[in-house]
Amino acid sequence: EVQLVQSGAEVKKPGESLQISCKASGYSFTTYWIGWVRQMPGKGLEWMGIIYPGDSDTTYSPSFQGQVTMSADKSISTAYLQWSSLKASDTATYYCARLDCSGSSCNYYYYGMDVWGQGTTVTVSS
Amino acid sequence: SSELTQDPAVSVALGQTVRITCQGDNLRSYYATWYQQKPGQAPVLVIYSKNSRPSGIPDRFSASSSGNTASLTITGAQAEDEADYYCHSRDISGYRWVFGGGTKLTVL
Repeated sequence: EVQLVQSGAEVKKPGESLQISCKASGYSFTTYWIGWVRQMPGKGLEWMGIIYPGDSDTTYSPSFQGQVTMSADKSISTAYLQWSSLKASDTATYYCARLDCSGSSCNYYYYGMDVWGQGTTVTVSS
Repeated sequence: SSELTQDPAVSVALGQTVRITCQGDNLRSYYATWYQQKPGQAPVLVIYSKNSRPSGIPDRFSASSSGNTASLTITGAQAEDEADYYCHSRDISGYRWVFGGGTKLTVL
Protein backbone atom coordinates (compact mmCIF):
# COMPACT_ATOMS: atom_id res chain seq x y z
CA GLU A 1 0.00 0.00 0.00
CA VAL A 2 1.27 3.43 -0.96
CA GLN A 3 1.25 5.74 2.02
CA LEU A 4 2.79 8.79 3.61
CA VAL A 5 2.97 8.83 7.39
CA GLN A 6 3.73 12.13 9.08
CA SER A 7 5.22 12.82 12.48
CA GLY A 8 3.05 13.71 15.43
CA ALA A 9 1.67 16.99 16.67
CA GLU A 10 4.10 19.57 18.00
CA VAL A 11 3.75 22.39 20.53
CA LYS A 12 6.56 24.93 20.40
CA LYS A 13 7.45 28.40 21.61
CA PRO A 14 8.21 31.34 19.32
CA GLY A 15 11.84 31.36 18.27
CA GLU A 16 12.30 27.61 18.62
CA SER A 17 13.35 25.38 15.75
CA LEU A 18 11.35 22.44 14.43
CA GLN A 19 11.58 19.65 11.90
CA ILE A 20 8.56 17.55 10.92
CA SER A 21 8.75 14.42 8.83
CA CYS A 22 6.88 12.51 6.15
CA LYS A 23 7.81 8.86 5.70
CA ALA A 24 6.95 7.20 2.41
CA SER A 25 6.29 3.53 1.82
CA GLY A 26 4.93 1.30 -0.92
CA TYR A 27 6.55 3.07 -3.85
CA SER A 28 9.89 4.31 -5.17
CA PHE A 29 10.55 7.36 -2.98
CA THR A 30 13.24 8.79 -5.25
CA THR A 31 11.12 8.98 -8.41
CA TYR A 32 8.15 11.05 -7.20
CA TRP A 33 8.09 14.68 -6.13
CA ILE A 34 6.81 15.40 -2.61
CA GLY A 35 4.84 18.57 -1.95
CA TRP A 36 4.09 20.42 1.29
CA VAL A 37 0.80 22.20 1.96
CA ARG A 38 -0.13 24.48 4.86
CA GLN A 39 -3.59 24.86 6.31
CA MET A 40 -3.97 27.50 8.99
CA PRO A 41 -6.82 27.01 11.48
CA GLY A 42 -10.16 27.40 9.73
CA LYS A 43 -8.51 28.45 6.47
CA GLY A 44 -7.79 27.03 3.05
CA LEU A 45 -4.92 25.09 1.56
CA GLU A 46 -1.66 26.87 0.68
CA TRP A 47 0.98 25.38 -1.59
CA MET A 48 4.38 25.71 0.07
CA GLY A 49 6.70 23.95 -2.34
CA ILE A 50 7.96 20.66 -3.69
CA ILE A 51 11.08 18.53 -3.43
CA TYR A 52 12.39 15.73 -5.66
CA PRO A 53 13.99 13.21 -3.31
CA GLY A 54 16.09 11.74 -6.13
CA ASP A 55 18.33 14.79 -6.23
CA SER A 56 16.80 17.12 -3.59
CA ASP A 57 15.78 19.63 -6.26
CA THR A 58 13.34 22.08 -4.66
CA THR A 59 10.87 24.74 -5.73
CA TYR A 60 9.37 27.04 -3.13
CA SER A 61 6.34 29.26 -3.20
CA PRO A 62 7.49 32.89 -2.97
CA SER A 63 5.39 33.12 0.21
CA PHE A 64 7.48 30.45 1.91
CA GLN A 65 10.92 30.95 0.34
CA GLY A 66 13.37 31.66 3.15
CA GLN A 67 10.80 30.83 5.82
CA VAL A 68 11.08 27.03 5.71
CA THR A 69 13.48 24.43 4.37
CA MET A 70 12.48 21.23 2.61
CA SER A 71 14.84 18.27 2.57
CA ALA A 72 14.79 14.52 2.02
CA ASP A 73 16.75 11.48 3.18
CA LYS A 74 16.67 8.82 0.47
CA SER A 75 18.14 6.18 2.77
CA ILE A 76 15.02 6.18 4.95
CA SER A 77 12.44 7.38 2.39
CA THR A 78 11.61 10.43 4.47
CA ALA A 79 10.95 14.05 3.57
CA TYR A 80 11.30 16.87 6.04
CA LEU A 81 10.01 20.39 6.57
CA GLN A 82 12.12 22.56 8.86
CA TRP A 83 11.87 25.92 10.59
CA SER A 84 14.84 27.63 12.23
CA SER A 85 12.81 30.15 14.23
CA LEU A 86 9.09 29.58 14.61
CA LYS A 87 6.51 32.35 14.78
CA ALA A 88 3.00 32.24 16.16
CA SER A 89 1.77 32.63 12.59
CA ASP A 90 3.31 29.23 11.76
CA THR A 91 0.52 27.61 13.76
CA ALA A 92 -1.18 25.34 11.24
CA THR A 93 -1.60 21.81 10.00
CA TYR A 94 1.03 20.79 7.48
CA TYR A 95 0.43 18.09 4.92
CA CYS A 96 2.87 16.27 2.69
CA ALA A 97 1.62 14.75 -0.54
CA ARG A 98 3.04 12.75 -3.42
CA LEU A 99 2.92 14.37 -6.85
CA ASP A 100 2.04 12.03 -9.68
CA CYS A 101 3.98 13.74 -12.42
CA SER A 102 7.06 13.47 -14.59
CA GLY A 103 9.86 15.70 -15.77
CA SER A 104 11.66 18.67 -14.37
CA SER A 105 9.08 20.69 -12.44
CA CYS A 106 6.54 18.09 -13.62
CA ASN A 107 6.60 19.50 -17.12
CA TYR A 108 5.94 16.23 -18.99
CA TYR A 109 2.68 15.45 -17.27
CA TYR A 110 0.99 16.33 -13.99
CA TYR A 111 -1.71 14.12 -12.53
CA GLY A 112 -2.11 15.83 -9.18
CA MET A 113 -1.22 15.15 -5.57
CA ASP A 114 -2.50 11.61 -5.37
CA VAL A 115 -1.39 10.41 -1.94
CA TRP A 116 -1.51 12.57 1.19
CA GLY A 117 -0.10 12.24 4.65
CA GLN A 118 -2.45 12.54 7.60
CA GLY A 119 -1.15 16.00 8.50
CA THR A 120 1.00 17.33 11.33
CA THR A 121 -0.45 20.00 13.57
CA VAL A 122 2.06 22.58 14.73
CA THR A 123 1.10 24.98 17.52
CA VAL A 124 3.41 27.88 18.29
CA SER A 125 2.53 29.75 21.45
CA SER A 126 4.33 31.44 24.29
CA SER B 1 -3.53 36.22 -2.19
CA SER B 2 -4.61 33.35 -4.41
CA GLU B 3 -4.41 33.58 -8.18
CA LEU B 4 -7.41 31.24 -8.32
CA THR B 5 -10.80 32.52 -7.22
CA GLN B 6 -13.60 30.31 -5.92
CA ASP B 7 -17.00 31.11 -4.48
CA PRO B 8 -16.75 30.65 -0.70
CA ALA B 9 -19.91 28.60 -0.40
CA VAL B 10 -22.37 26.73 -2.57
CA SER B 11 -25.40 24.62 -1.68
CA VAL B 12 -27.26 21.90 -3.55
CA ALA B 13 -30.35 19.84 -2.86
CA LEU B 14 -29.78 16.13 -2.39
CA GLY B 15 -29.70 14.39 -5.77
CA GLN B 16 -29.39 17.58 -7.78
CA THR B 17 -26.47 18.82 -9.86
CA VAL B 18 -24.02 21.45 -8.67
CA ARG B 19 -21.14 23.24 -10.39
CA ILE B 20 -18.21 24.64 -8.45
CA THR B 21 -16.14 27.15 -10.37
CA CYS B 22 -12.56 28.38 -10.23
CA GLN B 23 -11.31 31.44 -12.08
CA GLY B 24 -7.79 32.54 -12.93
CA ASP B 25 -5.77 33.69 -15.90
CA ASN B 26 -3.39 30.76 -15.49
CA LEU B 27 -6.31 28.43 -16.29
CA ARG B 28 -6.09 29.55 -19.91
CA SER B 29 -2.80 27.63 -20.05
CA TYR B 30 -3.05 24.88 -17.42
CA TYR B 31 -5.63 22.34 -16.29
CA ALA B 32 -7.01 22.52 -12.79
CA THR B 33 -6.91 19.59 -10.41
CA TRP B 34 -9.61 19.33 -7.78
CA TYR B 35 -9.45 18.18 -4.17
CA GLN B 36 -12.16 17.32 -1.67
CA GLN B 37 -11.54 17.87 2.02
CA LYS B 38 -13.88 16.79 4.79
CA PRO B 39 -13.55 18.20 8.32
CA GLY B 40 -10.56 16.84 10.18
CA GLN B 41 -9.30 14.89 7.18
CA ALA B 42 -6.55 15.29 4.62
CA PRO B 43 -7.54 16.40 1.13
CA VAL B 44 -8.41 13.79 -1.46
CA LEU B 45 -7.73 14.13 -5.19
CA VAL B 46 -11.01 13.88 -7.12
CA ILE B 47 -10.13 15.18 -10.60
CA TYR B 48 -6.81 15.51 -12.42
CA SER B 49 -5.64 16.38 -15.92
CA LYS B 50 -8.46 17.45 -18.23
CA ASN B 51 -11.23 15.34 -16.66
CA SER B 52 -9.80 12.18 -15.12
CA ARG B 53 -10.83 10.54 -11.87
CA PRO B 54 -8.54 8.51 -9.62
CA SER B 55 -9.77 5.01 -8.88
CA GLY B 56 -12.44 5.04 -6.23
CA ILE B 57 -13.85 8.45 -7.12
CA PRO B 58 -17.48 8.14 -8.24
CA ASP B 59 -18.32 9.04 -11.82
CA ARG B 60 -20.76 11.71 -10.63
CA PHE B 61 -17.66 13.93 -10.36
CA SER B 62 -16.56 15.56 -13.61
CA ALA B 63 -14.64 18.62 -14.73
CA SER B 64 -14.61 21.06 -17.60
CA SER B 65 -12.84 24.22 -18.56
CA SER B 66 -13.51 27.27 -20.71
CA GLY B 67 -11.29 30.30 -21.03
CA ASN B 68 -10.15 31.35 -17.58
CA THR B 69 -12.72 29.24 -15.72
CA ALA B 70 -12.46 25.63 -14.57
CA SER B 71 -15.50 23.84 -13.20
CA LEU B 72 -16.13 20.80 -11.05
CA THR B 73 -19.60 19.31 -11.53
CA ILE B 74 -21.26 16.84 -9.20
CA THR B 75 -24.22 15.20 -10.92
CA GLY B 76 -26.66 13.82 -8.38
CA ALA B 77 -25.01 15.15 -5.22
CA GLN B 78 -25.00 12.83 -2.23
CA ALA B 79 -24.87 13.66 1.45
CA GLU B 80 -21.30 12.36 1.62
CA ASP B 81 -20.24 14.96 -0.95
CA GLU B 82 -20.65 17.72 1.63
CA ALA B 83 -17.10 19.02 1.98
CA ASP B 84 -14.69 21.78 1.02
CA TYR B 85 -13.48 21.69 -2.56
CA TYR B 86 -10.25 23.24 -3.76
CA CYS B 87 -9.01 23.87 -7.27
CA HIS B 88 -5.27 23.76 -7.87
CA SER B 89 -3.16 24.70 -10.85
CA ARG B 90 0.18 26.05 -11.90
CA ASP B 91 0.72 29.74 -11.35
CA ILE B 92 1.56 32.15 -14.15
CA SER B 93 5.25 31.22 -13.96
CA GLY B 94 4.41 27.61 -14.76
CA TYR B 95 6.94 26.37 -12.21
CA ARG B 96 4.90 26.68 -9.06
CA TRP B 97 1.38 25.82 -8.06
CA VAL B 98 -1.39 27.63 -6.24
CA PHE B 99 -4.67 26.62 -4.61
CA GLY B 100 -7.97 28.41 -4.91
CA GLY B 101 -9.52 29.72 -1.72
CA GLY B 102 -11.89 26.76 -1.50
CA THR B 103 -15.65 26.30 -1.78
CA LYS B 104 -17.72 24.89 1.05
CA LEU B 105 -20.40 22.65 -0.43
CA THR B 106 -23.55 22.07 1.60
CA VAL B 107 -25.93 19.30 0.54
CA LEU B 108 -29.44 20.15 1.68
